[in-house]
Amino acid sequence: GAVVSQHPSRVICKSGTSVKIECRSLDFQATTMFWYRQFPKQSLMLMATSNEGSKATYEQGVEKDKFLINHASLTLSTLTVTSAHPEDSSFYICSAREPGGLRTPQHFGDGTRLSIL
Amino acid sequence: GEDVEQSLFLSVREGDSSVINCTYTDSSSTYLYWYKQEPGAGLQLLTYIFSNMDMKQDQRLTVLLNKKDKHLSLRIADTQTGDSAIYFCAVPYNQGGKLIFGQGTELSVKP
Repeated sequence: GAVVSQHPSRVICKSGTSVKIECRSLDFQATTMFWYRQFPKQSLMLMATSNEGSKATYEQGVEKDKFLINHASLTLSTLTVTSAHPEDSSFYICSAREPGGLRTPQHFGDGTRLSIL
Repeated sequence: GEDVEQSLFLSVREGDSSVINCTYTDSSSTYLYWYKQEPGAGLQLLTYIFSNMDMKQDQRLTVLLNKKDKHLSLRIADTQTGDSAIYFCAVPYNQGGKLIFGQGTELSVKP
């Protein structure tokens, strides 16, 4: 089945550091990828939709200057958390939709646990 | 906007059947999904059902869809301890394809 790889799986860093998270579709091309955030014991909240070759679409309340998204190729989207602070600590998960338009399922990466000290 | 609701907890004994329920509000939803999340891991796509179907069975998993009541359920037959996880139903919202998730149901399987 479709595989999405996310890297790194865990990051611990100091406040003020910028952190880049990569999301790759390994065996299919994804024109659209999605970035979610999950707090402990809570559901997933969509942060932004990443579109290959164009600007990302951010959900209401998500700071686009804080969470930079780049989707430079059909198999790679990156999320950069700029000048991270303790409140940015969370579990970040990406997903990619199989080719075939809106009628195809999304497959998720294994997530990145970000801890800001 | 779309609202998706699930009960938070379910506890069953090993070998019993588990039924996880989900309700949604947007009747235009065409595909509905079930994902499984184990502790510290990402989401695993379990199964999905098209809105023109009432039921879909895949080995131990059975999905039932009641479009009139906007109710979706996931039945796991012969539940095993390895099935212990959080199960999310998800519904696509608008033409952008983004998913709206329920709160997740934590399934606990006791030996």
